[in-house]
Amino acid sequence: AQKVTQAQTEISVVEKEDVTLDCVYETRDTTYYLFWYKQPPSGELVFLIRRNSFDEQNEISGRYSWNFQKSTSSFNFTITASQVVDSAVYFCALSEAEAQGGSEKLVFGKGTKLTVNP
Amino acid sequence: NAGVTQTPKFQVLKTGQSMTLQCAQDMNHEYMSWYRQDPGMGLRLIHYSVGAGITDQGEVPNGYNVSRSTTEDFPLRLLSAAPSQTSVYFCASSSYRNTEAFFGQGTRLTVV
Repeated sequence: AQKVTQAQTEISVVEKEDVTLDCVYETRDTTYYLFWYKQPPSGELVFLIRRNSFDEQNEISGRYSWNFQKSTSSFNFTITASQVVDSAVYFCALSEAEAQGGSEKLVFGKGTKLTVNP
Repeated sequence: NAGVTQTPKFQVLKTGQSMTLQCAQDMNHEYMSWYRQDPGMGLRLIHYSVGAGITDQGEVPNGYNVSRSTTEDFPLRLLSAAPSQTSVYFCASSSYRNTEAFFGQGTRLTVV
């Protein structure tokens, strides 16, 4: 069975601090996809990144970076110099290999609520 | 492009009532899915579809029906609402050509 664990339920930081959100996954598939989504207080789900299991290169996008390590089944997300607008719930998700390359069967973690205080 | 449109945004039902949550996408995506989000539980897959006429169950399908008569629409039916179905429901669509699932704005359903 597939499973995504986000052990940090809530994190609170002060603006400009760096923060890392942890994501650990379980799957027996050799081909899979990992995702991060952001859910701001307004409630919508905002796509941040998708990574396939064959690409272990770290990714950086502005203040956001992702560290994918297959050896530890982790896909951690770091926000550098956090801002108040980063306050949201962040979800890590996993897509099965049989999902035909789409994202129709996502398994989500329970989310990490990040609060960035001014 | 409107993307993924869900209606209604809010709904209150009485126990035992039935209703349909609507979901439409205008991106010609093959895949569509329904999730429910409960506090502390993340999002859980209810049903999904890989194309018109094809649907399948997800992790929490009981109490819900779906159909996919067209590529654009994927309605979710609650046959006899129960308080345990109080949740926020999200519809999503995706394509093998894309890297992400596009989500609707969500429907907040309360069953009293």
